[in-house]
Amino acid sequence: ETGVTQSPTHLIKTRGQQVTLRCSSQSGHNTVSWYQQALGQGPQFIFQYYREEENGRGNFPPRFSGLQFPNYSSELNVNALELDDSALYLCASSFSDGANVLTFGAGSRLTVL
Amino acid sequence: EDQVTQSPEALRLQEGESSSLNCSYTVSGLRGLFWYRQDPGKGPEFLFTLYSAGEEKEKERLKATLTKKESFLHITAPKPEDSATYLCAVPPSGNTPLVFGKGTRLSVIA
Repeated sequence: ETGVTQSPTHLIKTRGQQVTLRCSSQSGHNTVSWYQQALGQGPQFIFQYYREEENGRGNFPPRFSGLQFPNYSSELNVNALELDDSALYLCASSFSDGANVLTFGAGSRLTVL
Repeated sequence: EDQVTQSPEALRLQEGESSSLNCSYTVSGLRGLFWYRQDPGKGPEFLFTLYSAGEEKEKERLKATLTKKESFLHITAPKPEDSATYLCAVPPSGNTPLVFGKGTRLSVIA
């Protein structure tokens, strides 16, 4: 059973640029959630995808967008990067069974200069 | 409004010195309280889910308990490898994604 894998692990961008982060779900999971974790804070929910559609969104602006693919992998796209977007971006997969047990990847560390 | 509050923010223990971490929540109609462990540079790792007041779950040196307003993570005779950030989380309603607290950063010194 493979876990959740994310890429890249680290990246550095400058303000105004765009970034795409990728995530492969754990085998058998059909729901993907993305979280942002700033230094010293708990993870904050960005959005969730189920059956290739966004079915929940946290308090993040539209420049944060995502995709889920038929194989349940996912992408997080952030446009017009701001300094405050510097954080660890976590992908989590789960079953759509309401149990809410999330399996997290190791994250992608984004630094915006 | 804060739905999940964890205390203390940081805790430093000597090896073998037992203690407890607190997680208080304000959601109504609790649909599970989740504990995760996060090591530096890694994603959170699931530990426990508790659903009803009075419920307890154990894993090695960790025991999680739940009341109607808070949960405790008791650590008995901790070892240095228990050093990590411990996060608790709740779904605000229905099948909504988890809302996390800020975590307690635990350091266990040999």
